[in-house]
Amino acid sequence: DIVMTQSPDSLAVSLGERATINCKSSQSVLHSSNNKNYLGWYQQKPGQPPKVVIYWASTRESGVPDRFSGSGSGTDFTLTISSLQAEDVAIYYCQQYLSSPPTFGQGTKVDLK
Amino acid sequence: EVQLVQSGAEVKKPGESLKISCKGSGYRFTSYWIGWVRQMPGKGLEWMGIIYPYDSDTRYSPSFKGQVSISADKSMNTAYLQWNSLKASDTAIYYCVKSAAAIGSWFDPWGQGTLVIVSS
Repeated sequence: DIVMTQSPDSLAVSLGERATINCKSSQSVLHSSNNKNYLGWYQQKPGQPPKVVIYWASTRESGVPDRFSGSGSGTDFTLTISSLQAEDVAIYYCQQYLSSPPTFGQGTKVDLK
Repeated sequence: EVQLVQSGAEVKKPGESLKISCKGSGYRFTSYWIGWVRQMPGKGLEWMGIIYPYDSDTRYSPSFKGQVSISADKSMNTAYLQWNSLKASDTAIYYCVKSAAAIGSWFDPWGQGTLVIVSS
């Protein structure tokens, strides 16, 4: 199985400041045939199911604010929230969907400072 | 609107059986894989398995193979997750998820979750 490791486990950011979450995979999730990274990011707010915010490592889901961005390739990825808003407080998970079973990172909790 | 609506919370005793459901709407149910994800209390997300309702092709995570069964009724646009003998360690929220595209794709949307509590 591909192991996904996120860092940090938690972070506290002031309103309007940048939040950066890292995700590292134990194997490359870049598919050579289409040059796509099979990596998604999910946001889970308390008491709610997760929802996708980024897929293909850097494609923002429809309706997701443009303060969310994804970057990286191969084994190292980053989710950035450029200007944290109160409604962004949540746990964020990365997930690889290149190989079965699809696997998730352990999650990163983002709080307000 | 694409939606997955799951059955309600369950409280069961160890050794009992259980089948929870997930009804899809707003899209062609037989054309997309439906999976199940477990979230134990205060923990992260674990993919359990997936089914293609068109032909019931089913794949399981090695961690869950033999522990649960996944099925689908395409006439009802509904997928199921079943246990024959529950354990206390099955206490969790179970989410059904739709593959956004092919089997190797992200999950969107997610059902609202079904809380399963197994306690004597």
